[in-house]
Amino acid sequence: GNSVTQMEGPVTLSEEAFLTINCTYTATGYPSLFWYVQYPGEGLQLLLKATKADDKGSNKGFEATYRKETTSFHLEKGSVQVSDSAVYFCALSGEETSGSRLTFGEGTQLTVNP
Amino acid sequence: DTGVSQNPRHKITKRGQNVTFRCDPISEHNRLYWYRQTLGQGPEFLTYFQNEAQLEKSRLLSDRFSAERPKGSFSTLEIQRTEQGDSAMYLCASSLNRGYEQYFGPGTRLTVT
Repeated sequence: GNSVTQMEGPVTLSEEAFLTINCTYTATGYPSLFWYVQYPGEGLQLLLKATKADDKGSNKGFEATYRKETTSFHLEKGSVQVSDSAVYFCALSGEETSGSRLTFGEGTQLTVNP
Repeated sequence: DTGVSQNPRHKITKRGQNVTFRCDPISEHNRLYWYRQTLGQGPEFLTYFQNEAQLEKSRLLSDRFSAERPKGSFSTLEIQRTEQGDSAMYLCASSLNRGYEQYFGPGTRLTVT
């Protein structure tokens, strides 16, 4: 079945530091890939997405590139802000069920200190 | 457009009781999804509707769980004979149709004592 694995443990950075959150996936065919963000006390929000290999999703300074050869979709940001503190979830929608269920990773808590 | 809403936001119940949650999707959205999220984990898919038809159910959805979307608008998720293991955040999402972004509600946090 489909699965998503995110880097373990919370991430703590200082403001303006570079961020990478690793995400790898297992799926048949060509899934669509997503990053969702959950700010404290709020619902999940779509941050960015990519629907085919080599696509780059970007939003609010965050980027992620769909790498079919390494089955990865790592999230990056060049300079984080305190307001980026949140939980980040990598997710996929399988090719055979595109637009249906989302399969999520376990989430990565990001804390950015001033 | 006020987004996806869920009620109640919090529910505390005793083991063995029945509970019902409601989700109001974004109007005009044909698809409605239910997910469950436990502490420190990502959401897990439970079921989804295309209009009023329930098209897919996860094996996580035991016989004690039932979901409806009677007129293709709001949806309810009922849990009968609740167990402590049912304690979780229950998330609802909606999308315009297949292949479109899923918009999530704030969730209903269930605590079973």
